Amino acid sequence: AQSVTQPDIHITVSEGASLELRCNYSYGATPYLFWYVQSPGQGLQLLLKYFSGDTLVQGIKGFEAEFKRSQSSFNLRKPSVHWSDAAEYFCAVGGGGGADGLTFGKGTHLIIQP
Amino acid sequence: NAGVMQNPRHLVRRRGQEARLRCSPVKGHSHVYWYRQLPEEGLKFMVYLQKENIIDESGMPKERFSAEFPKEGPSILRIQQVVRGDSAAYFCASSPAGSVAYNEQFFGPGTRLTVL
Repeated sequence: AQSVTQPDIHITVSEGASLELRCNYSYGATPYLFWYVQSPGQGLQLLLKYFSGDTLVQGIKGFEAEFKRSQSSFNLRKPSVHWSDAAEYFCAVGGGGGADGLTFGKGTHLIIQP
Repeated sequence: NAGVMQNPRHLVRRRGQEARLRCSPVKGHSHVYWYRQLPEEGLKFMVYLQKENIIDESGMPKERFSAEFPKEGPSILRIQQVVRGDSAAYFCASSPAGSVAYNEQFFGPGTRLTVL
């Protein structure tokens, strides 16, 4: 069965500092990987996705993520965070080649310190 | 250019009542997914539907829950005889037909169900 682990429940970062959110997945075949962001009381917005090709993917709002097959990881990064980045971040994995329900991690709550 | 729409945004029901949650996918999308988010948890997949067909309901509780996506109109998630444990945020997502595009799901704002 597929699974996603986000080891950090909460992360606090100073505004302007760099950010890395960790995501490890378990999937038997080539995974489709996603990062979503959720603001309080809102739905989910897709930040970026990895299907194939270049393992470093660029997303919206200055985010990027790197797929490392050997480590089963898909960590999200941003060189300089802004106060508006405070939110809940979810990593998700889906089956390749077809339409499957996504499997989500439990999320990482990002707090930005002034 | 409307995204996924869900209504109501908030729903309060007493134990034993029925809850009906509606989801209108992005125009032109033929795939709909329902997820449930319990407090402090990630989203859990419930069911995947295409028009008039349930494709995968492996995440749906065996009793009291049902879903449909008719030829015309929104997708409906129906919970009969609600219990307190059904209190959660229910999210709908849609995706277009196609190969790689299948897995890019666009999420609605969710319906927050509270069972008293």
